[in-house]
Amino acid sequence: AQKVTQAQTEISVVEKEDVTLDCVYETRDTTYYLFWYKQPPSGELVFLIRRNSFDEQNEISGRYSWNFQKSTSSFNFTITASQVVDSAVYFCALSEPSGGYNKLIFGAGTRLAVHP
Amino acid sequence: EAQVTQNPRYLITVTGKKLTVTCSQNMNHEYMSWYRQDPGLGLRQIYYSMNVEVTDKGDVPEGYKVSRKEKRNFPLILESPSPNQTSLYFCASRPIESGGELFFGEGSRLTVL
Repeated sequence: AQKVTQAQTEISVVEKEDVTLDCVYETRDTTYYLFWYKQPPSGELVFLIRRNSFDEQNEISGRYSWNFQKSTSSFNFTITASQVVDSAVYFCALSEPSGGYNKLIFGAGTRLAVHP
Repeated sequence: EAQVTQNPRYLITVTGKKLTVTCSQNMNHEYMSWYRQDPGLGLRQIYYSMNVEVTDKGDVPEGYKVSRKEKRNFPLILESPSPNQTSLYFCASRPIESGGELFFGEGSRLTVL
């Protein structure tokens, strides 16, 4: 079974629309870390956020916000007033102690296309 | 500038011709790792290393070798590449502390014909 599920394969929006990228994870550990990375068309992986499982506060960074819900094992990512530069593939990832924190378990990614 | 450098960035090769993808980091990180990215599968870990001379298999190690003779370098070796190893490869590093952010290289796109 997939440990990190990003059910939305592709999302297409028009500039200035708000968009939410879903991430659902599965772990038996009570302590873990969650991440979001962005992969623009140029191909590199850009770190966006790390969240400790004990910190359930939502986080906002400019137009980006993250909603961590431990009760539903979800860590969703919202872009407000999307821009063309937000077009990218976004990955959610999990790091857990039962794996020794030795790897990131990635979802399959969500491709976001923002059209002018 | 803190960075993870991979070479080559692009490579087309033929089945069976040994190749090495180099990875070097200048952040004095203990931990280094290799991932491959395939459509619909996200990134999967190939090998990782906790420090010099300490390496271990990830989820998809078949057909790959690694070595960690120096702290800064972690080359990925394909002894006899096959077409199913056509992929986008990423090297990454981080400090040894658990749960830390991974710093990724720019990726190496490998095509095996």
